[in-house]
Amino acid sequence: DAKTTQPPSMDCAEGRAANLPCNHSTISGNEYVYWYRQIHSQGPQYIIHGLKNNETNEMASLIITEDRKSSTLILPHATLRDTAVYYCIVSHRVGGTSYGKLTFGQGTILTVHP
Amino acid sequence: EPEVTQTPSHQVTQMGQEVILRCVPISNHLYFYWYRQILGQKVEFLVSFYNNEISEKSEIFDDQFSVERPDGSNFTLKIRSTKLEDSAMYFCATLSSQGAIEQFFGPGTRLTVL
Repeated sequence: DAKTTQPPSMDCAEGRAANLPCNHSTISGNEYVYWYRQIHSQGPQYIIHGLKNNETNEMASLIITEDRKSSTLILPHATLRDTAVYYCIVSHRVGGTSYGKLTFGQGTILTVHP
Repeated sequence: EPEVTQTPSHQVTQMGQEVILRCVPISNHLYFYWYRQILGQKVEFLVSFYNNEISEKSEIFDDQFSVERPDGSNFTLKIRSTKLEDSAMYFCATLSSQGAIEQFFGPGTRLTVL
């Protein structure tokens, strides 16, 4: 699986948009970009995923560059409860010889302050 | 909303003892995973399990570890002869089907080896 690089920490004011970058320059053509987050010591929680198009769901938006070498997770209106470690993961979808293993990096510690 | 559950929430054991960590997956999910997270470190993949057999395992998952679904519902991780360095949070995760995206993580079991 391709390696990802994220800033170790970021701050955001409550109510503002949080933009979390991720570099994945060695991503292969059929690998997806996934974002998960981990609040305190809870189990990781899925946020969003994408292949090459921008995606949006009720939690966040994902912007993937045209060359797919980087992406940005956007939390449009961050709240205090969004304080967590955010992980950008590149992996194949389950199928064929892929069984869905997620390789976590160190992630970005996002702190949302009042 | 269906969720993955894990028991116990906290297990304390003496070095050299065997422990069994239990996970109840979401009903009808087909893919199962164990991850661990040593305090202050990243989440690490241990093993994936599909169709009643191990589909992929990491270097961490050596002969000391084993997994099974003894009754078709519970998914267990057994650690034989625990070591101090096995102290960690252990997360179970499940995925519904081939092509599915979201892995659902349980709340974790904190294992402390004394």
